[in-house]
Amino acid sequence: EIVLTQSPTTMAASPGEKVTLTCRASSSVSYMHWYQQRSGTSPKLWIYETSKLASGVPNRFSGSGSGTSYSLTINSMETEDAATYYCQQGSSYPLTFGSGTKLEIK
Amino acid sequence: EVQLVESGGGLVQPGRSLKLSCAASGFTFSNYYMAWVRQAPKKGLEWVATISTSGSRTYYPDSVKGRFTISRDNAKSSLYLQMNSLKSEDTATYYCARLGHNNGFAYWGQGTLVTVSS
Repeated sequence: EIVLTQSPTTMAASPGEKVTLTCRASSSVSYMHWYQQRSGTSPKLWIYETSKLASGVPNRFSGSGSGTSYSLTINSMETEDAATYYCQQGSSYPLTFGSGTKLEIK
Repeated sequence: EVQLVESGGGLVQPGRSLKLSCAASGFTFSNYYMAWVRQAPKKGLEWVATISTSGSRTYYPDSVKGRFTISRDNAKSSLYLQMNSLKSEDTATYYCARLGHNNGFAYWGQGTLVTVSS
């Protein structure tokens, strides 16, 4: 099973600040997907195949990485970006998620 | 517009069974792999099951293998999850999801809560 470790677990950012969330895999994966989950709502696909933005996702978001190290970056933090972000690998079964990074607005 | 609507959740005693349903609309259901993902209260996401377009192939993590069965009815655009021998650790909100590129979960339903307790 591929274990995904996200860091930090929780963080707070000020409006306009650049934010980087990381996800490390215990074995190499081909792609990483990212989800945004706001409080009390269903998760939404946010970034797929490492760097492709899902429909409607603002272009201040970006994704990058390869092998065992991946990241999600917000170029300039906005209030609406406060949420929990999960990474997920689809390269091998069982499909696994990271434990999430809770991003708060400062 | 893609819509996934789960139903069938509720309170069930340990050791009993429950069947969840997911009604899909807004896309050609038979063209897509489908899945169930769950989230225990205040916890993270856990993949539960995947089924191929025809239903001939299914995939499960060890935590539910042998107890849960995923199935589909393409004529009714519906996905199901039969859950047997339920345990307290199965308590979670269960989401129906449509799979997309490279096993990403492209669309999610609103979820249905399953509580396993005596």
